[in-house]
Amino acid sequence: QQQVKQSPQSLIVQKGGISIINCAYENTAFDYFPWYQQFPGKGPALLIAIRPDVSEKKEGRFTISFNKSAKQFSLHIMDSQPGDSATYFCAASLNFGNEKLTFGTGTRLTIIP
Amino acid sequence: GAVVSQHPSWVICKSGTSVKIECRSLDFQATTMFWYRQFPKQSLMLMATSNEGSKATYEQGVEKDKFLINHASLTLSTLTVTSAHPEDSSFYICSARDRFMGGSPYEQYFGPGTRLTVT
Repeated sequence: QQQVKQSPQSLIVQKGGISIINCAYENTAFDYFPWYQQFPGKGPALLIAIRPDVSEKKEGRFTISFNKSAKQFSLHIMDSQPGDSATYFCAASLNFGNEKLTFGTGTRLTIIP
Repeated sequence: GAVVSQHPSWVICKSGTSVKIECRSLDFQATTMFWYRQFPKQSLMLMATSNEGSKATYEQGVEKDKFLINHASLTLSTLTVTSAHPEDSSFYICSARDRFMGGSPYEQYFGPGTRLTVT
């Protein structure tokens, strides 16, 4: 029940296109859903995060859409750029992030010119 | 702000030896630090949660006698891999939570990781 399922495993998007990565969770007690970006050989960096009391959050080109009833959330990257090529992880936590993070399996995103 | 460093960034050691990895919060105090392990092209796996001044809480399946964690101050936690073997070769990442962050959510700041290779 603590799992977070992430799809797709890999994604290739043309420059300027929209990249969409999806995650689903089982534990309805999760109340904090961050997305992390990781470049090879580096630690993850927080991109954007959402709480279940809102259905969407946008920061620049990055948007989280949250569907509480379906227990799903997704990351949309608008106007995708080659510099966005990285591995993206969704995660979930209890107590507004005060508890440990449960990570998804990751999506390797490649933006092609 | 909110910078977490790790030292060393990479280390090679011989089988049977021990290696220590440091995790420091540079510009904030961290009551809680987390240690993760990541194999190539895989997700982060939480190994243990470390609270300053108390014993670490290990995740199921993680050998506490092999992976020694010490969180002696609000800015430093160490992970010691004892009697390392080739199967311990991995990317070890720490994260830290700001002690004084008011309200929620409680963001974790990640270090750059340490690549351990055991020969």
